[in-house]
Amino acid sequence: DIQMTQSPSSVSASVGDRVTITCRASQGISSWLAWYQQKPGKAPNLLISAASSLQSGVPSRFSGSGSGTDFTLTISSLQPEDFATYYCQQANTFPLTFGGGTKVAIK
Amino acid sequence: EVQLVESGGGLVEPGGSLRLSCAASGFTFSDYSMNWVRQAPGEGLEWVSSISSTSTYIYYADSVKGRFTVSRDNAKNSLYLQMNSLRAEDTAVYYCARVNGHWLEDYWGQGTLVTVSS
Repeated sequence: DIQMTQSPSSVSASVGDRVTITCRASQGISSWLAWYQQKPGKAPNLLISAASSLQSGVPSRFSGSGSGTDFTLTISSLQPEDFATYYCQQANTFPLTFGGGTKVAIK
Repeated sequence: EVQLVESGGGLVEPGGSLRLSCAASGFTFSDYSMNWVRQAPGEGLEWVSSISSTSTYIYYADSVKGRFTVSRDNAKNSLYLQMNSLRAEDTAVYYCARVNGHWLEDYWGQGTLVTVSS
């Protein structure tokens, strides 16, 4: 199985900060990676698919990059509504696997 | 508007069975593969199963293989997950999700809670 390792597991940041979350795959997954945002008690929401393709309706302050084994989600200027948990997921190979999540909290 | 509505969750004793349903609307259901993903209380996301648009391809996580069965009825715009031999570790919110191409989910339902306990 492909292991997805997210870091950090949590981060404290202030409104306006730039936040970077990384996801490393245990083997190459091409660009078959997505990033999701999840708020408490809610379903995950797709932010980015195919490593860097911004989902329609998602603010442009979110961006994704990477291919192969190393991927990054960047929030360029953190907004109050961005405090949430973020997950990466690979879809190159079954079983599909998620990273452990990164909780973005208010500093 | 894409809508996915799960139902069928509840409290069940270990060893029991449940059948989850997911009603889809707002898109041509028969054109899309679908996934089930679960989330145990306070934990991360875990992929459970995938089914292609015509049910040709079906995949399961090892943790549920042999106990869970995914199916769909394109005429009824519905996705199902039959869960047998349930264990305490199957306790989770179960989400159905539409797949956007390469098995990545783009729309998710609100989830249905399954609790396995005596």
